[in-house]
Amino acid sequence: DAGVTQSPTHLIKTRGQQVTLRCSPKSGHDTVSWYQQALGQGPQFIFQYYEEEERQRGNFPDRFSGHQFPNYSSELNVNALLLGDSALYLCASSLPTGDNEQYFGPGTRLTVT
Amino acid sequence: KQEVTQIPAALSVPEGENLVLNCSFTDSAIYNLQWFRQDPGKGLTSLLLIQSSQREQTSGRLNASLDKSSGRSTLYIAASQPGDSATYLCAWADSNYQLIWGAGTKLIIKP
Repeated sequence: DAGVTQSPTHLIKTRGQQVTLRCSPKSGHDTVSWYQQALGQGPQFIFQYYEEEERQRGNFPDRFSGHQFPNYSSELNVNALLLGDSALYLCASSLPTGDNEQYFGPGTRLTVT
Repeated sequence: KQEVTQIPAALSVPEGENLVLNCSFTDSAIYNLQWFRQDPGKGLTSLLLIQSSQREQTSGRLNASLDKSSGRSTLYIAASQPGDSATYLCAWADSNYQLIWGAGTKLIIKP
């Protein structure tokens, strides 16, 4: 049973560019959440998708947007990249009911130069 | 503002010792609380999840407790091993399933 997968593993972009990160949830999970983790800090919640709709959103600007596909996979898009967007981006999947335990992927390390 | 504080920020102990990591939170209306492990540059591995109605959970050498009234959770690691070296993070979920995180405790177990 494949767990949560993310691609790419690493990414280097220039300020002002746009980036798309991808996530496939754990088999049987239909809810995907995205988090940003700066070096030495805990993750910060970006948003959560369920049934192809954004269900919850954290305190992130509109430059951060997402999408969920019918197969429950998800994308995170960041426009007009800033140096401060450099971080580890984590995707987590869960079921919408029950204990809501979240399972995390290995993350995508984004470096903005 | 919802906050999660983890103490200590870093801990170094000899192999074989029992240890306790602490997590405190400011909101008692939690849905559940999870403890995670993170190896350097890696993603997060869920260790234990405690529902708001539970007091503790155990998995192998790990035991996590939850006291909502005092806003505290502890992670107890028995007979520590060098392989336990990692950063340990706690996070609680609100009723909207949004996780609020601490900054973590960096643990080093010396052989």
